[in-house]
Amino acid sequence: GIQVEQSPPDLILQEGANSTLRCNFSDSVNNLQWFHQNPWGQLINLFYIPSGTKQNGRLSATTVATERYSLLYISSSQTTDSGVYFCAVGVTGGGNKLTFGTGTQLKVEL
Amino acid sequence: EAGVAQSPRYKIIEKRQSVAFWCNPISGHATLYWYQQILGQGPKLLIQFQNNGVVDDSQLPKDRFSAERLKGVDSTLKIQPAKLEDSAVYLCASSLETGKYFGPGTRLTVT
Repeated sequence: GIQVEQSPPDLILQEGANSTLRCNFSDSVNNLQWFHQNPWGQLINLFYIPSGTKQNGRLSATTVATERYSLLYISSSQTTDSGVYFCAVGVTGGGNKLTFGTGTQLKVEL
Repeated sequence: EAGVAQSPRYKIIEKRQSVAFWCNPISGHATLYWYQQILGQGPKLLIQFQNNGVVDDSQLPKDRFSAERLKGVDSTLKIQPAKLEDSAVYLCASSLETGKYFGPGTRLTVT
């Protein structure tokens, strides 16, 4: 099956700093989503982005499907951004099934 | 718009006991998923329903796990008998076309 690797596995930021999270995948995808899992375990859908660039407030994401990677940018980080960020992908013929990466654990400190 | 609802939020059982989880998806979402998330890992799909039919249950341990969505709306996931390695968060999600929306999960501890 498709492999999804995320980097870095852990990240500690000072509040106000910017960061880039990376997701590499091993095969062509027709679905890519970024999720934030907050410290209480709730998974929140950030972006549906199988290709191109999207922005939502301080967050933006870019997927370069031909090169099999996606980036999530967090600007002016806040303590509420802490948690785990997951990239999840789906493949053609996969019936909407998402395969999740191992996540990036982010901690934003004051 | 109400989100995906799950209950209970927490459950502690002894091994070999049975347990059931309930999920009510977002209204109008035809597709419903159950995921298992073991601590430190990403969620893993257990089963996917399209309305009341099973689309994918290839990763469901069918000797002990079962799930149903009889009326195409809410769903139950059952484990019988539970093993220690079943300790995890069980997440329900629903989707209309593209984005998935997850419920708060049920944290299961098997002792």
